Amino acid sequence: GNSVTQMEGPVTLSEEAFLTINCTYTATGYPSLFWYVQYPGEGLQLLLKATKADDKGSNKGFEATYRKETTSFHLEKGSVQVSDSAVYFCALSRDTNAGKSTFGDGTTLTVKP
Amino acid sequence: EAQVTQNPRYLITVTGKKLTVTCSQNMNHEYMSWYRQDPGLGLRQIYYSMNVEVTDKGDVPEGYKVSRKEKRNFPLILESPSPNQTSLYFCASSLKGQSYEQYFGPGTRLTVT
Repeated sequence: GNSVTQMEGPVTLSEEAFLTINCTYTATGYPSLFWYVQYPGEGLQLLLKATKADDKGSNKGFEATYRKETTSFHLEKGSVQVSDSAVYFCALSRDTNAGKSTFGDGTTLTVKP
Repeated sequence: EAQVTQNPRYLITVTGKKLTVTCSQNMNHEYMSWYRQDPGLGLRQIYYSMNVEVTDKGDVPEGYKVSRKEKRNFPLILESPSPNQTSLYFCASSLKGQSYEQYFGPGTRLTVT
């Protein structure tokens, strides 16, 4: 079956530090890949997505590139802010069974001023 | 405003007392899902629906029921809740053919004593 593995957290960084959260996946075919963010006390919201190999998703200074050769979709940001403190989830879905989604365990990011 | 709503937001109940958590979306989305979020386990899919009267099991369906009689609504039913169903529940919806990015509700915090 499908699976998503995220780097273990929590992650604590100082403001303006570089962020990488690793995500690797196992799936047959060509899944769509997503990063969702959950701010304290809220539901998840889409941060960025990529639907085919070599696509780069980007939003709010965050980026992730769909690497089929390494089955990875690592999240990066060049300079984090305190307001980026949240839980980040990597996820996938497949168009052949789009209702079925698989999420990683989530990585908690805390950014200190 | 496009949104997914859930009710109630908070619920404390006792073992064995049937309950229903409602979910409604106003975006005319075909796909809807229920997830539970538990510490250290990330987000796990309970059930999903591809359209009216079409539902399927996710990864952790035991102890839950769903129905999809109308496109906008997707209630989650716990016929006989148990303490191991204490969790944070999220409903989500997505549009068919739009890479299936999901829109999440605000969550329902359920405690079963």
